[in-house]
Amino acid sequence: TQLLEQSPQFLSIQEGENLTVYCNSSSVFSSLQWYRQEPGEGPVLLVTVVTGGEVKKLKRLTFQFGDARKDSSLHITAAQPGDTGLYLCAGRNSGGSNYKLTFGKGTLLTVNP
Amino acid sequence: GAGVSQSPSNKVTEKGKDVELRCDPISGHTALYWYRQSLGQGLEFLIYFQGNSAPDKSGLPSDRFSAERTGGSVSTLTIQRTQQEDSAVYLCASSFRSQPQHFGDGTRLSIL
Repeated sequence: TQLLEQSPQFLSIQEGENLTVYCNSSSVFSSLQWYRQEPGEGPVLLVTVVTGGEVKKLKRLTFQFGDARKDSSLHITAAQPGDTGLYLCAGRNSGGSNYKLTFGKGTLLTVNP
Repeated sequence: GAGVSQSPSNKVTEKGKDVELRCDPISGHTALYWYRQSLGQGLEFLIYFQGNSAPDKSGLPSDRFSAERTGGSVSTLTIQRTQQEDSAVYLCASSFRSQPQHFGDGTRLSIL
């Protein structure tokens, strides 16, 4: 069974601060996705990283896939209250069951004005 | 709308009753997924449908859970003889083949 450990589980910061969320596994994934989920809604895809060492930027968000494709990080610069939400990482399995996503438990981020 | 639609949005029922949850995927999406999201547990894979292929039911937690997808479109997840541990948010997602999944807003199920 593939597992994804996400940390921290909870994060409360002030507007303007920087933060990093980590997603780690002992398994190799063919790709890794980051989602944001707001209360009462489904997860919304932010980014997919595919290549080991890949870095992608989405405005103030920077996503990195580890060289060995076992871990990933999400860094937010100058957090805004609108960044508040549950951030989920999900790894796509390799091989025959590559339609399956393994989700981390999420990081609940609160950005206080 | 053009997104994944789930109904009902909330369901409260008594222990032992059967419940049916419905998912309308995005038109043209061949793949459909059901997940369960419990408090502090992340998303748990339940079942996967792809076209006319046999579904992957490996994530269903017990034989009280079943799902079907009629005509390659609408799907229903049925939970028989509900238990309190079945309380969770049930999320449906659809995709075109292995493209990124689009999620509905879920059904929040509460078992009294």
